[in-house]
Amino acid sequence: GIQVEQSPPDLILQEGANSTLRCNFSDSVNNLQWFHQNPWGQLINLFYIPSGTKQNGRLSATTVATERYSLLYISSSQTTDSGVYFCAHTANNNDMRFGAGTRLTVKP
Amino acid sequence: DAGITQSPRHKVTETGTPVTLRCHQTENHRYMYWYRQDPGHGLRLIHYSYGVKDTDKGEVSDGYSVSRSKTEDFLLTLESATSSQTSVYFCAISGGQGNEKLFFGSGTQLSVL
Repeated sequence: GIQVEQSPPDLILQEGANSTLRCNFSDSVNNLQWFHQNPWGQLINLFYIPSGTKQNGRLSATTVATERYSLLYISSSQTTDSGVYFCAHTANNNDMRFGAGTRLTVKP
Repeated sequence: DAGITQSPRHKVTETGTPVTLRCHQTENHRYMYWYRQDPGHGLRLIHYSYGVKDTDKGEVSDGYSVSRSKTEDFLLTLESATSSQTSVYFCAISGGQGNEKLFFGSGTQLSVL
């Protein structure tokens, strides 16, 4: 199956710092999405980004499908950004596979 | 927020008993999914549905069955629960082609003792 690798696995930041999370794929990228799971377990869709760049406030994402990776940028991090960030991507049969996640801790 | 309701939110059951989890959506989305989330394994797909009475297996389907008799409801059944099925179960929906953004319910914490 398609492998989804996320890095780094853990990240600790001071409030106000910037960060970049990466997602690599072993095969062609389809329907790539980024999610945030907050400390209460809720999963929120941040971006649907099969290619190109999108921005939403302090967050932006870029997918380079030809090189099989995607990046999530968090600028001026806040404590509410803490949680686990997942990337996911759909195989041809609508089987969406998730990476193992990056656990982000933002300290005040 | 996408209109997805999972029930129950928490359940404790005994090994060998049947368990059914329900996912209800008000978005009229075509696709519905059941995932389980476990430490060290992330989110793994159990089963998904691409229409009424149309379902397919995911990565970890053994021991689970699903049914979708209406667009808005997707049921996950553990015929005979085992301790290895203790997990957090998430339902998700998407519109399908041209509308693939995935939205999750709040999850069901299932403990099998």
